[in-house]
Amino acid sequence: SAVISQKPSRDICQRGTSLTIQCQVDSQVTMMFWYRQQPGQSLTLIATANQGSEATYESGFVIDKFPISRPNLTFSTLTVSNMSPEDSSIYLCSAARTTWGYNEQFFGPGTRLTVL
Amino acid sequence: GENVEQHPSTLSVQEGDSAVIKCTYSDSASNYFPWYKQELGKGPQLIIDIRSNVGEKKDQRIAVTLNKTAKHFSLHITETQPEDSAVYFCAASIVSNFGNEKLTFGTGTRLTIIP
Repeated sequence: SAVISQKPSRDICQRGTSLTIQCQVDSQVTMMFWYRQQPGQSLTLIATANQGSEATYESGFVIDKFPISRPNLTFSTLTVSNMSPEDSSIYLCSAARTTWGYNEQFFGPGTRLTVL
Repeated sequence: GENVEQHPSTLSVQEGDSAVIKCTYSDSASNYFPWYKQELGKGPQLIIDIRSNVGEKKDQRIAVTLNKTAKHFSLHITETQPEDSAVYFCAASIVSNFGNEKLTFGTGTRLTIIP
């Protein structure tokens, strides 16, 4: 499996500000993803972080609100911009490694964000 | 797109008994089905997965079965222990020549093991 770390682990932010979450994987992976998880809910994919190119966003998520970078095969950032209380959630980084033709996907510990 | 339904949403079992969680998927092209365990305050942990070319897979006390015709798959935990208490998520995806497409997750099952 891949070991994934995220920074920060939690933060409390003011409305209108932005927060950048960092994700570091301990080895090279084929794909990286960002998810959002409301407390007690399932996981919702925000976007696929593509190395060296623009991220691929899911319906309902836009680059202006959630800019993503992936400068290399082991690191990615997600920025939550112009935050509102509705952005309060857990943000999870995920990485996929190809095993026998299938991408096993592993998750980081998450970043718990509270927007006041 | 793919839709994954998961049942039950909550499940309580006596320690030592078995637990079964079931999921159904909508897209017959899905061919990879992982299960994740999420403990409080942690990220989801991959515990077992199954590909569409097999019907069952076991790993110690956990097993997963897949019925492609009915488009459903199940997680079985035997001899449950208190540390099995967590939220479990099923997921489905289609593996293409370019690697997995995105995972679609079920709604989760909160499993509580009663000592």
